[in-house]
Amino acid sequence: SQTIHQWPATLVQPVGSPLSLECTVEGTSNPNLYWYRQAAGRGLQLLFYSVGIGQISSEVPQNLSASRPQDRQFILSSKKLLLSDSGFYLCAWSAQPVGAYEQYFGPGTRLTVT
Amino acid sequence: AQSVAQPEDQVNVAEGNPLTVKCTYSVSGNPYLFWYVQYPNRGLQFLLKYITGDNLVKGSYGFEAEFNKSQTSFHLKKPSALVSDSALYFCAVTLGYNNNDMRFGAGTRLTVKP
Repeated sequence: SQTIHQWPATLVQPVGSPLSLECTVEGTSNPNLYWYRQAAGRGLQLLFYSVGIGQISSEVPQNLSASRPQDRQFILSSKKLLLSDSGFYLCAWSAQPVGAYEQYFGPGTRLTVT
Repeated sequence: AQSVAQPEDQVNVAEGNPLTVKCTYSVSGNPYLFWYVQYPNRGLQFLLKYITGDNLVKGSYGFEAEFNKSQTSFHLKKPSALVSDSALYFCAVTLGYNNNDMRFGAGTRLTVKP
């Protein structure tokens, strides 16, 4: 069966510090991978998605970036965090093509920027 | 572009009563529709989806949803609510088999009271 991991679970970082969140998927190959941000326990904002190694699509201009160095690894980064980067970050995967396939979400990372 | 709307921020029902969580969609073609549930501080879990075929779709935990093309709706239902159903529910839509853009609604918080 497939499993998706995210770490860390919780993170408190000062403004201006760097960020690295990691997501890995087990039990599948060539998945679509996604990073979402959820603010205040409500709607999801798609940040990035990837259909393959090194292929990243950005949905929202911001100070965040994403990379996919391996087939089942997706990393969310920032060089300098802003207060507005606080939120709940969710990684997800789906089979390709995504249109007809549901997404499976990781447990999330709660980021607080102070 | 496709979108979904969840007109109710909050739905309250008594345990044992039927529940409905509403979702309407707006797309320029044939939609693929999904329901997800999120428990506190957790990632989203897939409940059910409509791709094609029978308008009544059955999913996990006794939930079902009915696709209504004329009303552009995809309401989530359950005949008898449980306290453990209390959670945040998201409707989502994609457009097309090869479409990588899944749009989520703002979410509806369901509270089931004993």
